Amino acid sequence: QVQLVQSGAEVKKPGASVKISCKASGYTFNDYYLHWVRQAPGQGLEWMGIINPNGGSTSYAENFLGRATMTTDTSTSTVYMELNSLRSEDTAVYYCARDGGDYLPGLDYWGQGALVTVSS
Amino acid sequence: DIQMTQSPSTLSASVGDRVTITCRASQSISRWVAWYQQKPGKAPKLLIYRASTLESGVPARFSGSGSGTEFTLTISSLQSDDFATYHCQHYNSYFGQGTKVEIK
Repeated sequence: QVQLVQSGAEVKKPGASVKISCKASGYTFNDYYLHWVRQAPGQGLEWMGIINPNGGSTSYAENFLGRATMTTDTSTSTVYMELNSLRSEDTAVYYCARDGGDYLPGLDYWGQGALVTVSS
Repeated sequence: DIQMTQSPSTLSASVGDRVTITCRASQSISRWVAWYQQKPGKAPKLLIYRASTLESGVPARFSGSGSGTEFTLTISSLQSDDFATYHCQHYNSYFGQGTKVEIK
């Protein structure tokens, strides 16, 4: 069965960086794009960007250009999202989600989420 | 960037009610809209894609409609399991602000 398993919770100080992993299993890793979405406490979902595991091409939401970097490791079927220059407003649960593709244009499988807390 | 405006932000309803949530895009996006259900502490769950196609396993009381700039999610007869927050998304892009469906 399809699974996306994310790394654990992180606590970071303002100005630091965080790198979250998302390990995929149960399907052909290269065949599906992956998205990153975050949710601040009590807030809605915020789309961060998308990565094509096959080749690593990316597209970022305007709010994250220059501060987020998404990468892929096909040898371990894992994608990563690194966010730099953290501030308190980046405290959120970060999700990876699989894009169902041309026949199912939506995020059909989600990771369990990784809580990132930014606090001095 | 195309913005998605969802309304209402909160909706109070009773079991058995018909519920409608609206999502408006800042420009035409054809039928490239998905809807998700999210319960507290859980990841979102895909309900509908391409504006009106029900994801496998989703009860038929959920339906979606619309094209261009206006889209709706309808629950024909609200069940206790449906009290949750619902999000629209322009495919591969931004989400609406979310609608919390709470018990009246």
